[in-house]
Amino acid sequence: GEQVEQRPPHLSVREGDSAVITCTYTDPNSYYFFWYKQEPGASLQLLMKVFSSTEINEGQGFTVLLNKKDTRLSLNLTAAHPGDSAAYFCAVSSSSNTNKVVFGTGTRLQVLP
Amino acid sequence: EAAVTQSPRNKVAVTGGKVTLSCNQTNNHNNMYWYRQDTGHGLRLIHYSYGAGSTEKGDIPDGYKASRPSQENFSLILELATPSQTSVYFCASGGTGDQDTQYFGPGTRLLVL
Repeated sequence: GEQVEQRPPHLSVREGDSAVITCTYTDPNSYYFFWYKQEPGASLQLLMKVFSSTEINEGQGFTVLLNKKDTRLSLNLTAAHPGDSAAYFCAVSSSSNTNKVVFGTGTRLQVLP
Repeated sequence: EAAVTQSPRNKVAVTGGKVTLSCNQTNNHNNMYWYRQDTGHGLRLIHYSYGAGSTEKGDIPDGYKASRPSQENFSLILELATPSQTSVYFCASGGTGDQDTQYFGPGTRLLVL
């Protein structure tokens, strides 16, 4: 089945710097991809969902890149601020069962002032 | 109004005891999910459901049962709780018409002594 590897597990950056989190997945037929943000002690909030038909998706203060050839998904936070400090999880929808997603192991991001 | 709620939010149980975690959603979603979250593992799927009366095994179902008596409610049951089941449990709901997007509840922190 689908496997998702997320790197790095921990990331510390200075305010204003960029931060990049990457997930690699194994099923080239996966179609839906998600990024979730989890603040300390809180639940997961959907940050962005992307489809395999679109390679670049931009949100508020971040960009999601999908490289289908390399089966790689990345989240790039531009000009990080302390409010971005949280855990981030990627998730990939299983092509064999689109009702299930497989989560990465998470990246704990700390943005220092 | 929160669309996915969980109860209890915190629970302390004894080894060998029975624990029931409850989840309610007002999204009118067909699919519901139970995950556990442990450091280093991200979120792992325990059980899920396609609708009232249905339950399916996820990736780590051993030691857990699930019940979906209605569209809105999905329970996770630990018949004989063990310390290894100490974790944070998240419920989620998702609609098949929403590109597999899952929306999460606030989580239940379970400690088994």
